[in-house]
Parts: sequence; structure tokens; C-alpha cells
Amino acid sequence: EAGVAQSPRYKIIEKRQSVAFWCNPISGHATLYWYQQILGQGPKLLIQFQNNGVVDDSQLPKDRFSAERLKGVDSTLKIQPAKLEDSAVYLCASSPEGTYNEQFFGPGTRLTVL
Amino acid sequence: GDSVTQMEGPVTLSEEAFLTINCTYTATGYPSLFWYVQYPGEGLQLLLKATKADDKGSNKGFEATYRKETTSFHLEKGSVQVSDSAVYFCALRGASGGTASKLTFGTGTRLQVTL
Repeated sequence: EAGVAQSPRYKIIEKRQSVAFWCNPISGHATLYWYQQILGQGPKLLIQFQNNGVVDDSQLPKDRFSAERLKGVDSTLKIQPAKLEDSAVYLCASSPEGTYNEQFFGPGTRLTVL
Repeated sequence: GDSVTQMEGPVTLSEEAFLTINCTYTATGYPSLFWYVQYPGEGLQLLLKATKADDKGSNKGFEATYRKETTSFHLEKGSVQVSDSAVYFCALRGASGGTASKLTFGTGTRLQVTL
């Protein structure tokens, strides 16, 4: 079974530029999560989708971050414009439908903002 | 709100040494507790979990017991191997609410095992 796919794996941009990350969850998984992992810290949930609806985006900086999950499958996370403090690894995870199912993580996208 | 505190690393051990990584938590009710492992260049993987007090999670020689009285979930392994070198994250999932599947992570503990 294929795991969670993310691209790109690495991205370097200058501040004020825009960037987008893509995630393809495990086939059939209804729930999709985006986490931000800053160096030296644990992952922090940015947004959670159930199918194509948002369940929790309370920690998403909505002035610059946006995310969508069209058709309830793959998802895109965008940052516009980027700030230096956005440098982090962005992790995507998915889980089967049901509140308490295990989350499976992708390899992450490492973003460096210069 | 919910929070997880883990011991700072890095932890450096010789092969076959005993491992303990401390983890304590703050949460209302009875959360579920997890240990995740992140090998170099890879995503987070679930290592073990416990969903109620006094449960013991175990996998690949690692164990952790859910201690409600001390709000702890310490990770242990009797004999570590070089291949166990990784970053270990303690996490909890809240007991109730519409976002119950949300995970709250600790800051991670890097383990380095040498020959």
C-alpha cells in the first residue's frame, strides 16, 4: 500500500514570495492533516480536513496561509507571502474515517525562507 | 490547553544500554497517549500507544505505561541498537470534543546509539 506522498521535498524561497505544497493521502483515507514542524519543536496542527470540509483550522495563520482539498482527495497548502518564521517542515498526514484512527505521516516538505 | 513535556536531548547511549525517555502531559479527562519515531529523512511513524490508564503499549522492544497518577508515559527499551537512532516524539490526543483526533506533540528527543 502506498503511503502519504508529498512534494516538493525541499523548497527555498525569499521572503514575500509565494509557495505551495502538495499532499496525496493514502487511498480511501477521509481525514487529512497539515502540520508545521519548526526546528527543535514538535509538529503543530495547522488544519484538518474531513473529506473536503474543514474540521479545525484554529491554528492556521489565515492572513497568509490557505489550504484546500478539492474532491476530498489530495490537498494543497499555500503560503502567500512567506515570512522568515515560516521556515519549517510541513507534514501531511491522513487517517481513515473515524475520530480515533491512527494518523499516517508523509516525509514532509522542508521550507527555507531567506 | 493540552500539552506534552519530554526530556531534552540528545541522548547518547552505547549499544545494548537501557533507554528511558521521560514524557509527562497536561490534559483534561483521559487522553490517549502515543510515541512516534522519526528516522532520518523519513516521516513520523507510530511506535506505540495506550488509550487508558495502566495500559502498556509495546512494539519493537519499546514499552511505555500510561500512568494517570503521575500523568506520565515514559518510553523504555531494555537494550538499544544502532538502528534505534532517531527522534522520538511523545504525543496525546484529547479525550473529547469535535477535534478529538487532534494530536499534541512534545518537542522530541533525539537518540543516538553508538557501537
